[in-house]
Amino acid sequence: DIVMTQSPDSLAVSLGERATINCKSSQRVFSSSNNKNYLAWYQQKPGQPPRLLLYWASTRESGVPDRFSGSGSGTDFTLTISSLQAEDVAVYYCQQYFNTPLTFGPGTKVDIK
Amino acid sequence: QVQLVQSGAEVKRPGASVRVSCKASGYSFTYYAIHWVRQAPGQSLEWMGWINAGNGKTRYSQKFQGRVTITRDTSASTVYMDLSSLRSEDTAVYYCAREQELDTGHFDYWGQGILVTVAS
Repeated sequence: DIVMTQSPDSLAVSLGERATINCKSSQRVFSSSNNKNYLAWYQQKPGQPPRLLLYWASTRESGVPDRFSGSGSGTDFTLTISSLQAEDVAVYYCQQYFNTPLTFGPGTKVDIK
Repeated sequence: QVQLVQSGAEVKRPGASVRVSCKASGYSFTYYAIHWVRQAPGQSLEWMGWINAGNGKTRYSQKFQGRVTITRDTSASTVYMDLSSLRSEDTAVYYCAREQELDTGHFDYWGQGILVTVAS
């Protein structure tokens, strides 16, 4: 199984400041056949299901604000919130879909400082 | 609009089975796959398996092999997840989620989630 790890476990950022979350996979999730990284990011608020933010590591889902961006390749990925807003308080998960079983990271909790 | 509506909360005894349903609307049901993901209290997300709603093909996580069965009823646009031999560790919120495109593995729409509690 591909193990996903995230850092930090939690972070507190001032409103308007940048938040950066890292995700690492135990194996490469890049496919050379289509040049894509099989990595998605989700946001989950309390009592709600996860919401897809980004897929293929950096493609923003429709309706997701452009302050959310993704980068990285192979085994190391980053989610950046360029200017944190109050509504961004949530837990963020990365997920690999390169292999089954599909696996998720442990989550990073983002709060306001 | 796309919606996945799940059945209500369940309380089960250890050793029992549970069936959770997920009714889809707002899109062509057979063109997509539906996955099941669960989340134990305070924990991360755990993938259980998926079904191609068009041809009925399924694939399950090895962890749940033999205990989980995912089926679909195309006439009702509904997917079912059966989990047997329940134990306390199966207490979790169970979500169905639609795969954004067939054979991708990331999820653009989720059900509201239902809490399954296993307790004696």
